[in-house]
Amino acid sequence: NAGVTQTPKFQVLKTGQSMTLQCAQDMNHEYMSWYRQDPGMGLRLIHYSVGAGITDQGEVPNGYNVSRSTTEDFPLRLLSAAPSQTSVYFCASSYRQGTEAFFGQGTRLTVV
Amino acid sequence: GEDVEQSLFLSVREGDSSVINCTYTDSSSTYLYWYKQEPGAGLQLLTYIFSNMDMKQDQRLTVLLNKKDKHLSLRIADTQTGDSAIYFCAESIPNFGNEKLTFGTGTRLTIIP
Repeated sequence: NAGVTQTPKFQVLKTGQSMTLQCAQDMNHEYMSWYRQDPGMGLRLIHYSVGAGITDQGEVPNGYNVSRSTTEDFPLRLLSAAPSQTSVYFCASSYRQGTEAFFGQGTRLTVV
Repeated sequence: GEDVEQSLFLSVREGDSSVINCTYTDSSSTYLYWYKQEPGAGLQLLTYIFSNMDMKQDQRLTVLLNKKDKHLSLRIADTQTGDSAIYFCAESIPNFGNEKLTFGTGTRLTIIP
């Protein structure tokens, strides 16, 4: 039972580059979300999805895009990376919004 | 608005009890959660409490909820080196049919041998 799988685990980008962080879950959860974790700031919600075809912005959405074409996958795209996007990114899924969240292992992104 | 606050650091001697505190502002919270994050890993649910409860005990863990003061605490009895981690509290807030999960800043628990 894989749970929530994120790839890659580590990534270094140059300013202006684009990339996609992958997230997949095998629990048939409707709700998926992306957070970034920065020291002293806890987890901040970037984008979320309540089901396939439906996405919405969280607390800090600027500079990020998401899509949800299937229940299983919820990729996060950085369109033009900036040093301020250096962070650890976590994908999470839950049966429905507000219930127990299952987290991936995280992606440590450094933008230079 | 919703705000969840925690102290950033806590140091405890091995074998003592650890008490991690959390305050929140939204009185409409339905569930309150404690998550544990070990180094280099994602968050894992440790325990939770429904908002109409005052206390929940689960082996070495005791959760206390004071709704009047909007204060949540997690007590870990007989703290071990394996308890070293960052602990996040989170509240679940109703939001027009979709509940919203808001996390605190996390408390880094360090165990002193």
